[in-house]
Amino acid sequence: EVQLLESGGGLVQPGGSLRLSCAASGFTFSAYVMTWVRQAPGKGLEWVSSISGTGDNIYYADSVKGRFSISRDNSKNKLFLQMNSLRVEDTAVYYCATPKYIGTGYFDYWGQGTLISVSS
Amino acid sequence: EMVMTQSPGTLSVSPGQRVTLSCRASQSVGSNLAWYQQKPGQVPRLLIYGASTRATGFPARFSGSGSGTEFILTISSLQSEDSAVYYCQQYNDWPWTFGPGTKVEIK
Repeated sequence: EVQLLESGGGLVQPGGSLRLSCAASGFTFSAYVMTWVRQAPGKGLEWVSSISGTGDNIYYADSVKGRFSISRDNSKNKLFLQMNSLRVEDTAVYYCATPKYIGTGYFDYWGQGTLISVSS
Repeated sequence: EMVMTQSPGTLSVSPGQRVTLSCRASQSVGSNLAWYQQKPGQVPRLLIYGASTRATGFPARFSGSGSGTEFILTISSLQSEDSAVYYCQQYNDWPWTFGPGTKVEIK
């Protein structure tokens, strides 16, 4: 059974930093693109960043480019999101997500999410 | 960046009625289009992928169609448990993008 478990959320002041983790199990982690998707309170879904299975290819939404950094540790089946220079508008639930089939870009599997609150 | 638009924003429909949701892409995405269902307090759930393939666990009353820039999600006979927000997502080009969602309410 595929499981994705996010951690690292919390309250942080504007300009601060936070590192999210996503622990994956139940599939060959290194073979899959992993993605972070966020959802601000009462708002829609926003794709944030994706990383290829090897980590060689990385993509960011313009809204986080230069501030967020995605990475993965395939030896530990973990995905990370380093978030710097946080803004109030980064407040959201952050989900890690992955497809069932290698090479596809839709998300069969989602974690339960971790809440980031950016506030002074 | 590919912009996805959805219409209407909100839909209020009686049980048993047919529901049609629209998703448009600013450029062609081929058939690389997915739909998700999200109920209040829940994680999004993949509903349709490849524009028209229904994901595991969803009944046949849900169907997807379209290609290029115009896509439709149809619920043939709305049930009370279908009350949710429905999002489309393109995965043809980076950055992948979601539409703003359509909220389906039960009258």
